Amino acid sequence: KAGVTQTPRYLIKTRGQQVTLSCSPISGHRSVSWYQQTPGQGLQFLFEYFSETQRNKGNFPGRFSGRQFSNSRSEMNVSTLELGDSALYLCASSFRQGAITGELFFGEGSRLTVL
Amino acid sequence: KQEVTQIPAALSVPEGENLVLNCSFTDSAIYNLQWFRQDPGKGLTSLLLIQSSQREQTSGRLNASLDKSSGRSTLYIAASQPGDSATYLCAVGEMDSSYKLIFGSGTRLLVRP
Repeated sequence: KAGVTQTPRYLIKTRGQQVTLSCSPISGHRSVSWYQQTPGQGLQFLFEYFSETQRNKGNFPGRFSGRQFSNSRSEMNVSTLELGDSALYLCASSFRQGAITGELFFGEGSRLTVL
Repeated sequence: KQEVTQIPAALSVPEGENLVLNCSFTDSAIYNLQWFRQDPGKGLTSLLLIQSSQREQTSGRLNASLDKSSGRSTLYIAASQPGDSATYLCAVGEMDSSYKLIFGSGTRLLVRP
């Protein structure tokens, strides 16, 4: 059974540009969450998507957005990149049915460097 | 606001030792608690998941306990091996409008041959 797949694994952008990251969840998992990991702030929750709807968002500006497709694949977008957006962006998928959520499984991450 | 703390921040032990990693959280109203392992430059590998109604979970040489009333969890690693060297992260699961994990800052473990 394939795990969570994130693309691209590495990317370099310059300030002001935008970036789109992709995540394919484990087959059968309909919930996809995104987390940002930085040396200073650690791991922080960005948002969760379930049934193509954003269910919750962490304390991040509107430049951070995402979406989920009917096949549960998800993308996140960061516009007007800032140096502080350099981070490892991790996607996690889980089985979810109503209010019951299973274990989170993470991908290898997309490492974004903003110059 | 939930805060998760992990002690120690770093730990170096000789191979074969049994060791305990600590995790504390400020709000006992948790949905579950998960322990992860992260190797340098990699994603997170789930080690153990403890539901809020459970006291402990075991997988191989790993045992995790949960005491919600005191806001504590411990990860016990038996007979440590150099391959156990990694950063270990504790994460508290919360469920309100949706599910999210609140992470501790991790314990960086080095097991010396």
